[in-house]
Amino acid sequence: QKEVEQNSGPLSVPEGAIASLNCTYSDRGSQSFFWYRQYSGKSPELIMSIYSNGDKEDGRFTAQLNKASQYVSLLIRDSQPSDSATYLCAVRDNSGYALNFGKGTSLLVTP
Amino acid sequence: GAVVSQHPSWVICKSGTSVKIECRSLDFQATTMFWYRQFPKQSLMLMATSNEGSKATYEQGVEKDKFLINHASLTLSTLTVTSAHPEDSSFYICSARYPGGGEQYFGPGTRLTVT
Repeated sequence: QKEVEQNSGPLSVPEGAIASLNCTYSDRGSQSFFWYRQYSGKSPELIMSIYSNGDKEDGRFTAQLNKASQYVSLLIRDSQPSDSATYLCAVRDNSGYALNFGKGTSLLVTP
Repeated sequence: GAVVSQHPSWVICKSGTSVKIECRSLDFQATTMFWYRQFPKQSLMLMATSNEGSKATYEQGVEKDKFLINHASLTLSTLTVTSAHPEDSSFYICSARYPGGGEQYFGPGTRLTVT
């Protein structure tokens, strides 16, 4: 069973702070990693993809990958109330194109 | 770029009828599309993987005769819920795999209510 684990939260951070979202995965053969944002009642929206160890930055978002520890994280700098949503970690292995999704972490940014 | 549409966005149907949902990749060709279902406050559940020109691959526990999937072109996949029942009421979301990579882009979803 290929597991993708996330803390369900809610994670509450004040506006302007850094939000740190974490994800672990069980399949060591996993190659591709994605973060999606899902607002209540809406479909997921791709935020970041990361394929190699290290950091990848895109605007206020930074994805971090550590394959040895089977750990991927998402940092959101200068958090805004509009960032309040559920963040889904998704992992793709070598067996196909399907993604394994975590259950998501609920983030609440308070003004 | 990477826009996926779904139609309809919501539908109400009577028990026993069939409903077809369309998923289109608008600005790229998608050899692989995916269908998910999401119940309130729950995580995404992959129902099936749809490959252009071939039969869909269904996840364990998903009835292929109830959820008919057709991927006849590189930009269109359809999901037909046959003989719908109230327990089929859910949020159905499709995604399309961007060519060359593993990214999936999601459609806006279809909210199905069976009365």
